Amino acid sequence: GQNIDQPTEMTATEGAIVQINCTYQTSGFNGLFWYQQHAGEAPTFLSYNVLDGLEEKGRFSSFLSRSKGYSYLLLKELQMKDSASYLCAVLFSGNTGKLIFGQGTTLQVKP
Amino acid sequence: DGGITQSPKYLFRKEGQNVTLSCEQNLNHDAMYWYRQDPGQGLRLIYYSQIVNDFQKGDIAEGYSVSREKKESFPLTVTSAQKNPTAFYLCATMGVRGREGNEQFFGPGTRLTVL
Repeated sequence: GQNIDQPTEMTATEGAIVQINCTYQTSGFNGLFWYQQHAGEAPTFLSYNVLDGLEEKGRFSSFLSRSKGYSYLLLKELQMKDSASYLCAVLFSGNTGKLIFGQGTTLQVKP
Repeated sequence: DGGITQSPKYLFRKEGQNVTLSCEQNLNHDAMYWYRQDPGQGLRLIYYSQIVNDFQKGDIAEGYSVSREKKESFPLTVTSAQKNPTAFYLCATMGVRGREGNEQFFGPGTRLTVL
């Protein structure tokens, strides 16, 4: 199979930093995506990693280690509107191949 | 305006009827995907297509069918064989954006309720 694992739920405080981890099976790996999804809405793209290292985009950063089959999404200066589900997805086998999602991590930001 | 359209946003059908969900894109992306999402759960892959006139089963293809006659269109038919069709259905596309790598987008989704 192509299991992708992430924590089910996380809670953090407004203004803090939170790290959401994602692990996956490395065979056939061709890229990793992070998305944000608010309840009842479609996911929106946050980041894409295909090489090892950290990609920074404003308050959000994403890290990838291909050899370890591991990624994390880092959210800084948390705001209440960051309360959402965060989905990790892995692209297998080719540039436009099979895109598989993890179960998602529901993040609750508290005042 | 470039993007993905799915229609309708809400769809109601009687049990035992087939229903077709539309997905159209003008992003010139080669790959298109259909996912199903149940309440409180992640996205599960139903079918995907990397090129016109070709498509592959995802993890939960039973009870569904697709076609890819045009690059822009990837309709999904939910057949009467699908035992629990009520769900939120999402269409997505992916394309290669040169050295920047892949770009990927979702449509707004169709919420199907079978009565």
